[in-house]
Amino acid sequence: AQSVTQLGSHVSVSEGALVLLRCNYSSSVPPYLFWYVQYPNQGLQLLLKYTTGATLVKGINGFEAEFKKSETSFHLTKPSAHMSDAAEYFCAVSEDDDMRFGAGTRLTVKP
Amino acid sequence: ETGVTQSPTHLIKTRGQQVTLRCSSQSGHNTVSWYQQALGQGPQFIFQYYREEENGRGNFPPRFSGLQFPNYSSELNVNALELDDSALYLCASSLKDRYYNEQFFGPGTRLTVL
Repeated sequence: AQSVTQLGSHVSVSEGALVLLRCNYSSSVPPYLFWYVQYPNQGLQLLLKYTTGATLVKGINGFEAEFKKSETSFHLTKPSAHMSDAAEYFCAVSEDDDMRFGAGTRLTVKP
Repeated sequence: ETGVTQSPTHLIKTRGQQVTLRCSSQSGHNTVSWYQQALGQGPQFIFQYYREEENGRGNFPPRFSGLQFPNYSSELNVNALELDDSALYLCASSLKDRYYNEQFFGPGTRLTVL
């Protein structure tokens, strides 16, 4: 069965600094991988997804993630953090019909 | 196109009661998945409905049940509510016939059990 581990429940960066949120997965088949963002009292918004093809995936709001099969990782990055990036981020893996989420990483952006 | 909607937005119930949550899927979608997100945790898969039949279930007891209607909207029913059922319940719709199952999430229903 697939699963996701997000390293670091809380990440704090300064505005303008690099954002790196870590995600490792386990899957018995080539996975579909996702990053979602959740703002307070809201649902989940898809940032980006990997299904097949290019391993570097670009998403919305300047985020990108790289699928590394050898490391079973799908880390999320953004070159320069903005105050509006402060939110909860979830990595997810899907093999069949259900999606398994990590526990989430809360990103804080300091001015 | 209309996105995924859920009702109600918030709900307060007492232990032992029953609750029904509703979800309208995105136009053109035929699959609805339900998730429970407890405070400070990631969403946990409850079950999925495809063309009005349950199509996969997570580790939730039978008192969690659902329905999908011909228009692909869905209900989540929870009987004999427990305090631990307090959570944000998320519904996601998708088009199962595509080669991958991208899910689009609604805003959620926040259930508080007292």
